[in-house]
Amino acid sequence: NAGVTQTPKFQVLKTGQSMTLQCAQDMNHEYMSWYRQDPGMGLRLIHYSVGAGITDQGEVPNGYNVSRSTTEDFPLRLLSAAPSQTSVYFCASRYSGYTEAFFGQGTRLTVV
Amino acid sequence: EDQVTQSPEALRLQEGESSSLNCSYTVSGLRGLFWYRQDPGKGPEFLFTLYSAGEEKEKERLKATLTKKESFLHITAPKPEDSATYLCAVQASGGAQKLVFGQGTRLTINP
Repeated sequence: NAGVTQTPKFQVLKTGQSMTLQCAQDMNHEYMSWYRQDPGMGLRLIHYSVGAGITDQGEVPNGYNVSRSTTEDFPLRLLSAAPSQTSVYFCASRYSGYTEAFFGQGTRLTVV
Repeated sequence: EDQVTQSPEALRLQEGESSSLNCSYTVSGLRGLFWYRQDPGKGPEFLFTLYSAGEEKEKERLKATLTKKESFLHITAPKPEDSATYLCAVQASGGAQKLVFGQGTRLTINP
């Protein structure tokens, strides 16, 4: 039982490049979400999904895209990377909207 | 707007010196308050969920309590391995997926 798996662990992008952060969970959770963590800012919600085919915006969605074609996977796309997107990104899954979230190990992204 | 404030930002203790971390919250209808532990370079690890005022949960040297305005994470006789950042998050009744996190308390236990 791997839990929540994120890839890659580290990534360096040039401004304007695009990329996809991968997230997979094997707990059959319907609820998945993406957060970014910046020093002094805490964890902030980017996008979330309450099931396959259903996504919605969180607190800081601009510059990011998501889709949910399966229960297991919830990729996060950076459309055109900017230095302001330098951060640590965490994917999380939950059994329901009111239970604890399980987090992946994170992706440290640097945009130069 | 739902808000979570944790204090202090950082706390340094000697091994065996008990203390408490605070999480104050403002939320429209609390559906759950969550405590997490985060080690450097790792994702948050779930510790406790509290659902109603007066509720308490314990795990080893940690005890979490909840009132209508705040939660405390009490650490008793801490050891160096308890050093980590402790995060508090709230779940409001209106936002089924929107956990709101505080900024965390960085706890250091010196041997």
